[in-house]
Amino acid sequence: GAVVSQHPSWVICKSGTSVKIECRSLDFQATTMFWYRQFPKQSLMLMATSNEGSKATYEQGVEKDKFLINHASLTLSTLTVTSAHPEDSSFYICSASSASESLDEQYFGPGTRLTVT
Amino acid sequence: SQKIEQNSEALNIQEGKTATLTCNYTNYSPAYLQWYRQDPGRGPVFLLLIRENEKEKRKERLKVTFDTTLKQSLFHITASQPADSATYLCALDTGTASKLTFGTGTRLQVTL
Repeated sequence: GAVVSQHPSWVICKSGTSVKIECRSLDFQATTMFWYRQFPKQSLMLMATSNEGSKATYEQGVEKDKFLINHASLTLSTLTVTSAHPEDSSFYICSASSASESLDEQYFGPGTRLTVT
Repeated sequence: SQKIEQNSEALNIQEGKTATLTCNYTNYSPAYLQWYRQDPGRGPVFLLLIRENEKEKRKERLKVTFDTTLKQSLFHITASQPADSATYLCALDTGTASKLTFGTGTRLQVTL
């Protein structure tokens, strides 16, 4: 149980275009979803927290107009990187937690490798 | 400032030995601490959670200790196997809405 999927697993896009990444909880309802970014040989950095039906809460230094997060249902959250630039190239990982399980445990997706050329 | 430190150097051990990884933190008062495994190009996989009022927790070959006085957690893998080779991350709760802050991880390499 507690499986989280991400799509796509990797994507290459041109500078200036937008990319959407999906995060789905497959066998549980995710009360809260988190989006992280990880650069090579660095740790996961939390970008934003989203609760179903409400606006995402962004961490300091993360541009909310550039990284659009939508958590429209209890099983789906999307991250859209708008007007992508090469410095946005990174590994984006989502996680989900559930009030019915334990809010303290987060279940991670497999990640999405974004390369902006 | 708040800091979570894990040994950035890789830990190389022989198969069958016990691997011990360290997570030290400063300026945090976490209610719980978690350990994750991450393989290259993959998302983290949850291993264990230990709460502030727990000294030790075990799961199969894994053992975690949590010393809130020393502000340290130790993660042990007994009878290590080459399949245990991965990066291990510790994460602390920030006290806000289940948000976690991660350490940089320690890469473990288990050789035959």
